[in-house]
Amino acid sequence: EAQVTQNPRYLITVTGKKLTVTCSQNMNHEYMSWYRQDPGLGLRQIYYSMNVEVTDKGDVPEGYKVSRKEKRNFPLILESPSPNQTSLYFCASKTSGVNTGELFFGEGSRLTVL
Amino acid sequence: AQSVTQLGSHVSVSEGALVLLRCNYSSSVPPYLFWYVQYPNQGLQLLLKYTTGATLVKGINGFEAEFKKSETSFHLTKPSAHMSDAAEYFCAVSDRASYDKVIFGPGTSLSVIP
Repeated sequence: EAQVTQNPRYLITVTGKKLTVTCSQNMNHEYMSWYRQDPGLGLRQIYYSMNVEVTDKGDVPEGYKVSRKEKRNFPLILESPSPNQTSLYFCASKTSGVNTGELFFGEGSRLTVL
Repeated sequence: AQSVTQLGSHVSVSEGALVLLRCNYSSSVPPYLFWYVQYPNQGLQLLLKYTTGATLVKGINGFEAEFKKSETSFHLTKPSAHMSDAAEYFCAVSDRASYDKVIFGPGTSLSVIP
């Protein structure tokens, strides 16, 4: 089954404690992206990757890091989480190129930073 | 910069009534246009998309949307609402110049009243 898998789905942590949210897709998609969803703001892009070893900032990259060492994986790293990073996070992937296709989303990771 | 607006953060309709969710974009060059739906505790999934060709696009679950260039709009409709349509709906655009950049609107929460 084609899917994007995120872990963990729910996480409560404390300020400053490093954490990683994993994302994996099995569709051989070149493009992967992280979004955060906050009430009234829709989805805002954090980072995206056009392919292995190619990453770039989205609209709200501050406080986040990513890496793309393998095509299927795109982890999101919060080196020193702060309460304003409490949010619902989504990983998504799609084919890249002119004939742009739909984004496939994971089920989301709800993060609470105390 | 490209932007997406959705009129009405919350819309309520009676079961069996017409659903109309509004979306306007800012680009002078028609972008790719998408509607995504998010059911509770799930990720987003594609309802329908417009790239080229026929301006009336049909999607899943009886939804359709019409691209109107003169109005820079891509409103989503369904003739008869069902209880299962209750969800959050997001309009999104992808610029034809940088097609991998997807910008989401703030979302509209649809409630269906029995």
